Amino acid sequence: DVKVTQSSRYLVKRTGEKVFLECVQDMDHENMFWYRQDPGLGLRLIYFSYDVKMKEKGDIPEGYSVSREKKERFSLILESASTNQTSMYLCASKVTGLNTEAFFGQGTRLTVV
Amino acid sequence: AQSVAQPEDQVNVAEGNPLTVKCTYSVSGNPYLFWYVQYPNRGLQFLLKYITGDNLVKGSYGFEAEFNKSQTSFHLKKPSALVSDSALYFCAVRPMEYGNKLVFGAGTILRVKS
Repeated sequence: DVKVTQSSRYLVKRTGEKVFLECVQDMDHENMFWYRQDPGLGLRLIYFSYDVKMKEKGDIPEGYSVSREKKERFSLILESASTNQTSMYLCASKVTGLNTEAFFGQGTRLTVV
Repeated sequence: AQSVAQPEDQVNVAEGNPLTVKCTYSVSGNPYLFWYVQYPNRGLQFLLKYITGDNLVKGSYGFEAEFNKSQTSFHLKKPSALVSDSALYFCAVRPMEYGNKLVFGAGTILRVKS
């Protein structure tokens, strides 16, 4: 089975802190994604990566950056956390192909105080 | 703009009754369509997808979905609901020109009561 692992289930950070969310997948997938999930808004794409060191902005990239130095690992970085970034963050990975489904991690619930 | 609508925030159904969770989409061209389920404090799990061919798609846990091109809908169905089906359900679409990106609906909470 595909396994997508996010390093933390729950995080509490202070406003202005630099926050790192880590995601690792074990199936050699080329594509990895970061979404944030908010009630009533569904999932919104922050960034995605289709290869090592490659990244593309999603729909809501402001305030975030990403890093993909190794194929299996995709990091989301909040440069200076703000309270409006309090949310559930979901990482996903998939093989290349329009008809292939994504596999999701268990999510990280981030609270910025 | 590409969009997915799940018109019901919540669907309530009695155990043993059939259930339907609605999804409509607005995209250009022929999209790929997906359903995911999220149990409390968990990530999303893939249920089923429509790529091409038969309009009725069968997936995990007894769920199925019907693709209707003229109505641009992809409703999720199950003939007999279980209490354990209670969860948050997301419809998603991948327009062909979007590459590997998915557009998600807002989600529908399904509550199955015994």
